[in-house]
Amino acid sequence: DQQVKQNSPSLSVQEGRISILNCDYTNSMFDYFLWYKKYPAEGPTFLISISSIKDKNEDGRFTVFLNKSAKHLSLHIVPSQPGDSAVYFCAASPYNQGGKLIFGQGTELSVKP
Amino acid sequence: NAGVMQNPRHLVRRRGQEARLRCSPMKGHSHVYWYRQLPEEGLKFMVYLQKENIIDESGMPKERFSAEFPKEGPSILRIQQVVRGDSAAYFCASSPRPGATEAFFGQGTRLTVV
Repeated sequence: DQQVKQNSPSLSVQEGRISILNCDYTNSMFDYFLWYKKYPAEGPTFLISISSIKDKNEDGRFTVFLNKSAKHLSLHIVPSQPGDSAVYFCAASPYNQGGKLIFGQGTELSVKP
Repeated sequence: NAGVMQNPRHLVRRRGQEARLRCSPMKGHSHVYWYRQLPEEGLKFMVYLQKENIIDESGMPKERFSAEFPKEGPSILRIQQVVRGDSAAYFCASSPRPGATEAFFGQGTRLTVV
């Protein structure tokens, strides 16, 4: 039962353009959503999070949007840079479960110069 | 402040051997989480521990897998009698309190069972 889904395994974007990574979830009992970035042979690195009571959070080039009615969130990266090329994971934190995270399958972003 | 340290980075075991994976959390962090990433998949939660306590082991296979986080020393994930299907990357994360929204991850241990 995949509660958090990233349906696009890969995404290719031109440098300077916007990257939009998508994530869907099936369970309404999440209180936070997070995005992590992962390079090969390294651990995930936290990027940005959003509370379930918000619909937008922005940090520099990264913005996360949450649409609760559609159970959908997205990460926007503007402008995209070659160094952004990595695998991006969406994760959700269930209520009252002590920080346990449910991860999506990941989307590999490639930013071409 | 050193990050989350995992060792070894790579571990090769023959079928039937035991694998021990170690995780030293960040200084001041008393909450540790273990995740497993199988090839082409996302990270799957295994277990959540505090010092000397297992808080949530709902993601742990029922047999051969165990975890501990003693009062002193690193957290250990132990896999007995390894099989080929245990080959994966195992990641540890730590946080200073439960429910922290930014868990910090280690670099992982890549286990290969031959």
